[in-house]
Amino acid sequence: QKEVEQNSGPLSVPEGAIASLNCTYSDRGSQSFFWYRQYSGKSPELIMFIYSNGDKEDGRFTAQLNKASQYVSLLIRDSQPSDSATYLCAVTKGRRALTFGSGTRLQVQP
Amino acid sequence: DAGVIQSPRHEVTEMGQEVTLRCKPISGHDYLFWYRQTMMRGLELLIYFNNNVPIDDSGMPEDRFSAKMPNASFSTLKIQPSEPRDSAVYFCASSAQRNYGYTFGSGTRLTVV
Repeated sequence: QKEVEQNSGPLSVPEGAIASLNCTYSDRGSQSFFWYRQYSGKSPELIMFIYSNGDKEDGRFTAQLNKASQYVSLLIRDSQPSDSATYLCAVTKGRRALTFGSGTRLQVQP
Repeated sequence: DAGVIQSPRHEVTEMGQEVTLRCKPISGHDYLFWYRQTMMRGLELLIYFNNNVPIDDSGMPEDRFSAKMPNASFSTLKIQPSEPRDSAVYFCASSAQRNYGYTFGSGTRLTVV
């Protein structure tokens, strides 16, 4: 079992819709959770991080964490074609560096 | 701030040759990470440093790989001898704290033929 699992996609949504990206993790002791966006041929860039159960909102983005279910999600409201990218979920615990999932490719159709 | 600076951006080398990748972290960031990204394996941690000291090198594939951080503003990742399976994009990232988000460099695309 991979430590961080994501559906590879592609997830296709129409412009203006809500995109929902999901991630599960295997280590129940994981403490910090991150979402990165990576455009093709570019480096990952941080979108959001979340440490506590519940929702955290930042502009059009909402991260949701459910530690009991070992589940993290990212919602993108009013999706735009410029949101088309691969979204990477990452987790960490203790002294460990971030462990990344393989990413979900999002396509926003104009 | 110029961000994390990596060089070279692209490297094509022949099997058996030595390859050296370079990284300059963001000033003031005490943590430096080396990751490798391939289609098959995704983004994998190779090694990370804290205050120039290697903390976790469990991701370094084998003895052919070595990394150094002689000072707070410079790190190298060396592969000797290189093999075709080392072909990947190598990213350097830095962070002010281990559990903060990391800032990635532009990466070095390595092709070993």
